[in-house]
Amino acid sequence: EPEVTQTPSHQVTQMGQEVILRCVPISNHLYFYWYRQILGQKVEFLVSFYNNEISEKSEIFDDQFSVERPDGSNFTLKIRSTKLEDSAMYFCASSEEAREQYFGPGTRLTVT
Amino acid sequence: GENVEQHPSTLSVQEGDSAVIKCTYSDSASNYFPWYKQELGKRPQLIIDIRSNVGEKKDQRIAVTLNKTAKHFSLHITETQPEDSAVYFCAAGDTGRRALTFGSGTRLQVQP
Repeated sequence: EPEVTQTPSHQVTQMGQEVILRCVPISNHLYFYWYRQILGQKVEFLVSFYNNEISEKSEIFDDQFSVERPDGSNFTLKIRSTKLEDSAMYFCASSEEAREQYFGPGTRLTVT
Repeated sequence: GENVEQHPSTLSVQEGDSAVIKCTYSDSASNYFPWYKQELGKRPQLIIDIRSNVGEKKDQRIAVTLNKTAKHFSLHITETQPEDSAVYFCAAGDTGRRALTFGSGTRLQVQP
């Protein structure tokens, strides 16, 4: 069964550094999402992406965040200048239609 | 925006008993309600979902009910097994917005 994959599984970075989190969505899916989950808390929506553009973003997704689909398979989340409060598990998800979303294994981001 | 409330936050049952988790939502435009199971350190896994044109859906030992008038939906797990132990999240979304709003999660512990 096809799955969403993410790399790296764990990223440690210093405050102020840029990070890029990578995702490979399921191949026939057209909608892509990023969510984050701070340890022990609920999953929070960041951004959705369809047809090479952002379709929706949350208040969390401010100017320090950006997303890109650089080629036909990867979907990336960039955080320009990381803050301590960006430490969280970041999940990529994809869906064939705008409904059943399948999540990747996540990237644990630790900002020190 | 949408707000999803989930309770209880923790639930402990004996193996073989039933478990019920309840969620309420605020946005009457929401029409899609998935449930995710998350084991420790793993990705949220879609286990069942329901759309607003259906009142109940079953898949083996799990069922979901939806009351659109009252804006609440519930997950029912029958004949619980130790491997059902996990955190369960409800979510709400709509086909227009695509973002999912998650509840705060229920930690289910099934005692053997």
